[in-house]
Amino acid sequence: KQEVTQIPAALSVPEGENLVLNCSFTDSAIYNLQWFRQDPGKGLTSLLLIQSSQREQTSGRLNASLDKSSGRSTLYIAASQPGDSATYLCAVRMDSSYKLIFGSGTRLLVRP
Amino acid sequence: GAVVSQHPSWVICKSGTSVKIECRSLDFQATTMFWYRQFPKQSLMLMATSNEGSKATYEQGVEKDKFLINHASLTLSTLTVTSAHPEDSSFYICSARIRRPSDTDTQYFGPGTRLTVL
Repeated sequence: KQEVTQIPAALSVPEGENLVLNCSFTDSAIYNLQWFRQDPGKGLTSLLLIQSSQREQTSGRLNASLDKSSGRSTLYIAASQPGDSATYLCAVRMDSSYKLIFGSGTRLLVRP
Repeated sequence: GAVVSQHPSWVICKSGTSVKIECRSLDFQATTMFWYRQFPKQSLMLMATSNEGSKATYEQGVEKDKFLINHASLTLSTLTVTSAHPEDSSFYICSARIRRPSDTDTQYFGPGTRLTVL
């Protein structure tokens, strides 16, 4: 059974810092991995999607990497801003069923 | 981008009553819709997968008679929590997958519905 873990559970950094969020999964036979952002009491916004054959994806200040063999993914946020404060969730898709298995998230606070 | 709406955004009800939550894809046809539940400070847990015109597929441990799902059209799925109890209080989020000839990985998420059962 696939299990997705995110470390740390919470993170507080001053504005401007670069930071890394971690996601690990127990079954490396994934179809793809996706990073989401969730603001308090809101739905999810997709940030980056990495196919199993890819090693990284970039969008603006965000860079996500994937090491399928070791069961790990990282989300790198450059020059963090207070507006980046949110919960970041990673999710893996195992097969063509489109079901997503989510990690428990990292709550990020970027202090002005 | 594609928009998914949920109604209501929040609801408070008495124990024993039933609550219906709607999930609509506003500008696209959704082949499949998913229903998730999220408890405070926890991650999203998939409850069921809903395909238009067919019965929903429930995840292990989810009571299909308690959480009724109807997917009557390509733009609307409803989740009814029957005989709700305080332990059903949670944040319910739906997502929709766009119907396209080619495969697509994109799921669009609704804003969620906060259910509080007194």
